[in-house]
Amino acid sequence: GQNIDQPTEMTATEGAIVQINCTYQTSGFNGLFWYQQHAGEAPTFLSYNVLDGLEEKGRFSSFLSRSKGYSYLLLKELQMKDSASYLCAASGGDYKLSFGAGTTVTVRA
Amino acid sequence: GAVVSQHPSWVICKSGTSVKIECRSLDFQATTMFWYRQFPKQSLMLMATSNEGSKATYEQGVEKDKFLINHASLTLSTLTVTSAHPEDSSFYICSARGAREYEQYFGPGTRLTVT
Repeated sequence: GQNIDQPTEMTATEGAIVQINCTYQTSGFNGLFWYQQHAGEAPTFLSYNVLDGLEEKGRFSSFLSRSKGYSYLLLKELQMKDSASYLCAASGGDYKLSFGAGTTVTVRA
Repeated sequence: GAVVSQHPSWVICKSGTSVKIECRSLDFQATTMFWYRQFPKQSLMLMATSNEGSKATYEQGVEKDKFLINHASLTLSTLTVTSAHPEDSSFYICSARGAREYEQYFGPGTRLTVT
């Protein structure tokens, strides 16, 4: 089975940094995805990690530790438009995605 | 590249009727497509895996006779919600597998409201 845990909500101020943690238990693990989803819209791809370590992509970075079943998404220099739900998803042995419940990030001025 | 479309973007239907949702990969061929359902403030739940030219594989708890999936070509999969009821009201999202097995490209979603 799959078990993906991430915090429900986080709030931060504009310009700050926020780290969203995700723990997973996935059989036949094939990688960890992060998606951004605005209300009423489909998820948009942010990052994919399959090897341990940090992947940096502009203001967003994602980290993976396979041995610990742990990942985080780091959002730097927060902007108002970053207010959204962030979904952690683990890819299993058949490359199906199991999603966490999502973390709602609210950016305040 | 790797654009996936869905049609319609929203639909309202009466209880007991059937609704068909289309998912198309516009600029690539997708032998595998996925159908998800998302209730308000909840995450995406995989309903089924659609494979071109073969029967769909349904996740546990999803009624295959209620949610009919047809993947007739390499660019089109359809989901038909049969005898819809208000509890079927949800956001239905499809995705298409890309060239690499771990890639999934999501469509914009279809909002279904059953009255």
